[in-house]
Amino acid sequence: QQPVQSPQAVILREGEDAVINCSSSKALYSVHWYRQKHGEAPVFLMILLKGGEQKGHEKISASFNEKKQQSSLYLTASQLSYSGTYFCGSFIYGGSQGNLIFGKGTKLSVKP
Amino acid sequence: DAGITQSPRHKVTETGTPVTLRCHQTENHRYMYWYRQDPGHGLRLIHYSYGVKDTDKGEVSDGYSVSRSKTEDFLLTLESATSSQTSVYFCAISVGGAYNEQFFGPGTRLTVL
Repeated sequence: QQPVQSPQAVILREGEDAVINCSSSKALYSVHWYRQKHGEAPVFLMILLKGGEQKGHEKISASFNEKKQQSSLYLTASQLSYSGTYFCGSFIYGGSQGNLIFGKGTKLSVKP
Repeated sequence: DAGITQSPRHKVTETGTPVTLRCHQTENHRYMYWYRQDPGHGLRLIHYSYGVKDTDKGEVSDGYSVSRSKTEDFLLTLESATSSQTSVYFCAISVGGAYNEQFFGPGTRLTVL
């Protein structure tokens, strides 16, 4: 049920691009993306909803393929500040309200 | 930052003792969550609340209980702490609906000896 993220880790030089993927075995209502820096709390980046609506970050883009139950996060012209662990979360209806199930994360390191 | 605080921020306790962690929010959000974070596992949902006295279990709820007697406070209790509950615990709220973005508190690092 936990979404699968790939790659598990990636190392970039400043200015390079990266793609982080998230796939689920369950039908997705929405996909969330968060970034967590070492020793800090996760921070919301973006939500992608069924039907293509997207809410979130100005400098990071993402896609959501409902049929394939996949989402990808695109980090272009990476900056040192992009370093951290990126988590996707898939919203699944269940229980009384539904909730987010997070992937295990992708660690991104941006070097000068 | 959605006005979320957690207390204590750090705690060391011994196996078998009860522990209560507190999450406090100042903006009257309906939905509140408790997660634990362990290396290699990401964030895992323990319990969540969708209103005063309304709570439900998450994927790793065994050994934990919660209470929400006021909108602003969501308490997580470990009735009898075990070493496997050593973790970082995050509280979160979602804005507007369960499917909306979540904002996290600063976390509590709990060590059970």
